[in-house]
Amino acid sequence: EVQLVETGGGLIQPGGSLRLSCAPSGFIVSNNYMSWVRQAPGKGLDWVSIIYSGGSTYYADSAKGRFTISRDNSKNTLYLQMNSLRADDTAVYYCVRAHSNDYIMDWGQGTLVTVSS
Amino acid sequence: DIQMTQSPSTLSASVGDRVTITCRASQSISTWLAWYQQKPGKAPNLLIYKASNLQSGVSSRFSGSGSGTEFTLTISSLQPDDFATYYCQQYNSYSWTFGQGTKVEIK
Repeated sequence: EVQLVETGGGLIQPGGSLRLSCAPSGFIVSNNYMSWVRQAPGKGLDWVSIIYSGGSTYYADSAKGRFTISRDNSKNTLYLQMNSLRADDTAVYYCVRAHSNDYIMDWGQGTLVTVSS
Repeated sequence: DIQMTQSPSTLSASVGDRVTITCRASQSISTWLAWYQQKPGKAPNLLIYKASNLQSGVSSRFSGSGSGTEFTLTISSLQPDDFATYYCQQYNSYSWTFGQGTKVEIK
């Protein structure tokens, strides 16, 4: 059974940094298109970043220059390094597996990031 | 960037009603569109991909149609378990975009 488990969320002050991790079971991260999607409290879904199986990475404008998506093949883990965090980055961050660069097949349970002083 | 506009934002309906949700893209996305259902406190769940393909395990009362810039999600006979929020997603380009969501409420 496929499972994605996100960790690393929490309360962080504006301007701070946080690294989210996603450790899936049932598949190999490096063989898949993996992405981060976030959802602010009471709001809709917002795509953040994607890493292709070949290693190419892409970011939403809101994440460019501040966030970095990466993976550790030896640990079968996906990461999202978030720097210069702002209040509007407050959201539940979902780790997802995509069918190629297409639709989302699998979602994690999400990890809450709260940016507040 | 491609913008996705869903309508309506909220929909009040009764069990047994036929329900239609519309999603419009700011430019043609062929059939590169998916629909998701999300219930409170849960991650979304894939219903439809490539505009009209029903995901395995999803009830056949859900159907999708459309191409280019206009798409619809139809629930043929609304069931109690269907009261939720629905999102469309385009994947025509390397950057994804979601619609703002349609909340289906009990009338």
